[in-house]
Amino acid sequence: DGGITQSPKYLFRKEGQNVTLSCEQNLNHDAMYWYRQDPGQGLRLIYYSQIVNDFQKGDIAEGYSVSREKKESFPLTVTSAQKNPTAFYLCASSGVRDRDDPETQYFGPGTRLLVL
Amino acid sequence: EDQVTQSPEALRLQEGESSSLNCSYTVSGLRGLFWYRQDPGKGPEFLFTLYSAGEEKEKERLKATLTKKESFLHITAPKPEDSATYLCAVKTDSWGKLQFGAGTQVVVTP
Repeated sequence: DGGITQSPKYLFRKEGQNVTLSCEQNLNHDAMYWYRQDPGQGLRLIYYSQIVNDFQKGDIAEGYSVSREKKESFPLTVTSAQKNPTAFYLCASSGVRDRDDPETQYFGPGTRLLVL
Repeated sequence: EDQVTQSPEALRLQEGESSSLNCSYTVSGLRGLFWYRQDPGKGPEFLFTLYSAGEEKEKERLKATLTKKESFLHITAPKPEDSATYLCAVKTDSWGKLQFGAGTQVVVTP
């Protein structure tokens, strides 16, 4: 089955530590996205990538970094510069090759990041 | 500035009691409106994409409609398994950014 996987499901970060969240998709989608979800707020875009080796900042990129070395993978690093990292992180993908709907973004199951 | 507002924030329904959720938007140019369902602790599940005013889509007990200023998600004869948070999002840029509303939390009691 095609889909998006995120790992781990829960992640604990210590003060001053960088942590990396994994996102993998086997939908053959070109574009991938990272969103942050906080209680009572809509999802906010952190970073997005339309093609391999290219990515752009979203609305709340400060304190985060990404890479896109493979089409299938788009890891997100939460750096020590992100002072309020506790949130639910969601990865999504969309693709012009999706015969059903190239505009629709499909989401993974999410990673909950907690600060110790 | 683009804005997406969902109402009500929360909705409690009896099983079988039909209702509608609202998503109003003010954007410079709509390239698509999306509805998702999200269960607690899980990622959003795609429901519908609407592209132009007058468009309607249905799936089981759910029906989404779109006008030039708002979208409605109608829930007909809901069941307890329809309990979830329903998210609305709009796309205005060619590269894919979605602007999300805060969601409507729906609880359906037996």
